[in-house]
Amino acid sequence: KQEVTQIPAALSVPEGENLVLNCSFTDSAIYNLQWFRQDPGKGLTSLLLIQSSQREQTSGRLNASLDKSSGRSTLYIAASQPGDSATYLCAVNRLTGGGNKLTFGTGTQLKVEL
Amino acid sequence: DGGITQSPKYLFRKEGQNVTLSCEQNLNHDAMYWYRQDPGQGLRLIYYSQIVNDFQKGDIAEGYSVSREKKESFPLTVTSAQKNPTAFYLCASSISRQRTTNEKLFFGSGTQLSVL
Repeated sequence: KQEVTQIPAALSVPEGENLVLNCSFTDSAIYNLQWFRQDPGKGLTSLLLIQSSQREQTSGRLNASLDKSSGRSTLYIAASQPGDSATYLCAVNRLTGGGNKLTFGTGTQLKVEL
Repeated sequence: DGGITQSPKYLFRKEGQNVTLSCEQNLNHDAMYWYRQDPGQGLRLIYYSQIVNDFQKGDIAEGYSVSREKKESFPLTVTSAQKNPTAFYLCASSISRQRTTNEKLFFGSGTQLSVL
């Protein structure tokens, strides 16, 4: 059974700092991996999707990497801003079976302080 | 304005009552999903549907039921058999019934269900 772990559970950084969020998964047979952002009491917004054949994806100040063999992904946020404060969730899509059945981590709650 | 609309935002259930959560999308997506989110836990898949009039159980389907009579609608009923229904419920959709490796999930804004 796939298990997804995110470390740290919470992180507080000063504005302008570069930071890395970590995601690890136990089964390397994955279809793809997605990073989401969730604001309090809100739904999830997809940030980046890395296909199983890819090593990284970039969007603006965000860069996500994937190392399937070690079961790890990282989300790098450059020059953090207070507006980046949110919970970041990692989700792994199962390789077998129909449908996009994601297994989620419990998230990293990020606070960027002025 | 394209997206996924969940209603109501807050819902209260009495003992022994069934309640239905609404999810509507105007993205013309084939596949729709229901997830449950509990504090300190990751989201867990309840049900999903890849095509109209067809749906499959997810990891925690017991105590829930769904229907998919229209492409744009995927309501979730929380039955009285679900003994611990208090949670944040999220509906999602993706574009195709046959998934592709670059296919993203899009989420609604959620419904918070509480037990009276």
